[in-house]
Order: sequence, then C-alpha cells, then structure tokens
Amino acid sequence: AQKVTQAQTEISVVEKEDVTLDCVYETRDTTYYLFWYKQPPSGELVFLIRRNSFDEQNEISGRYSWNFQKSTSSFNFTITASQVVDSAVYFCALSEENTPLVFGKGTRLSVIA
Amino acid sequence: DTEVTQTPKHLVMGMTNKKSLKCEQHMGHRAMYWYKQKAKKPPELMFVYSYEKLSINESVPSRFSPECPNSSLLNLHLHALQPEDSALYLCASSQGYSNQPQHFGDGTRLSIL
Repeated sequence: AQKVTQAQTEISVVEKEDVTLDCVYETRDTTYYLFWYKQPPSGELVFLIRRNSFDEQNEISGRYSWNFQKSTSSFNFTITASQVVDSAVYFCALSEENTPLVFGKGTRLSVIA
Repeated sequence: DTEVTQTPKHLVMGMTNKKSLKCEQHMGHRAMYWYKQKAKKPPELMFVYSYEKLSINESVPSRFSPECPNSSLLNLHLHALQPEDSALYLCASSQGYSNQPQHFGDGTRLSIL
C-alpha cells in the first residue's frame, strides 16, 4: 500500500531563512505521481507541483524548489528566503495509477517576521 | 480566488437538520471529490465521482449522501449528523483521476450542535 511520511510536524523559521520540508514515500508501483499542496489558514489547498515517477528532474519555481530522488524515495521541498506569507501547512501526497491520492500528515510552517 | 466554488462557507446545524453542501467547477474537469478534514489532520477522501458516476465511496456513513447533477456540480446532502462530523469539508476537481492535480475549493466549515 502506498504511504507518505512527513516527519516534521512543525517548523518555525525567521523570515529570509531557507527551509526544507521533507517527504518520504512508499510504493510498489513503478508508475506513480507525487504532489505538494499548500494549505494557508484560510483553508483551501493550493496545488504547487506534480511529478511523475519517470521524471527525476529537479524543479525551481521562483523561491520554491523541489528535489525528487527515487534512490531515497524522497520528494523534498525547499523555500528560499522565506516570507511570512509562506506560513501554512504543507502536504506531500502520492497517487498510483487509478488509486486515490494519499496525503502525508502535513508540516506546519511558521515564518516569523 | 479558487476555480472551485463551495457554498456555504460556514454552516451550523442541529443533529436533526437536513442541509446540503454545494460545489461547482467550470474547468471542464471530469472527476470531482469530497474530502473531510479535521483540525491538524490531512484531508480524508469521502467520495469520488468520475464522469458523473460515483466511483469511490470510502465507507462513508449513509447520513452523508453525495449527488452529481451534472459535470460541473457536486452536492453533499447531510442528514442526522453527529457532533463528530464537525469538520472542514473540501470539494476538489481534476481533469482525470489519480494522475492529475486536484484543484480544491475553500471548503465549508461545518459545526454540528
């Protein structure tokens, strides 16, 4: 069965610090999809990125970057020069072919001014 | 602004009331979802509709009754709820099932008295 582990429950950083959110996954399938979502205090989940299992290229989008490593079953998310608006709960999620999305327990990030 | 619209944003109801949650998307997505989220927990999948047909029911009690009147609308009918059903109810939609990113609404915060 698929599983997602986000070992960091809560992280606090001071504004402008870099922060990495860890995500480790388990799956027996060779085809799978990894996602990151952001949930600010207002409640909606905001889609950030999708990665399929055949694409190990790292991705950068502005201050956000993602490091996908199949060898360690990890899909980590780094925020560079964090800002107060980055404060939210971040969920890593995994889906196999034709199976529902499985979320990790989430990491609550607090960025302090 | 999210592209998935949920109404109402807040709902307080008694255990004997009947109410409905509504969700609408105009992105042409063919899969729609209901999730339940308790505080400090990840979203839990309740139902999945694919091409307007119920494809997954995650053993949800019958006091929750989903309905998909057309490809843009998804309802969740509530009846005889219990206090433990108080939660944030999130609707989502996606182009396809499992491998496509889901787009979430702002949610309905439901309180059962």
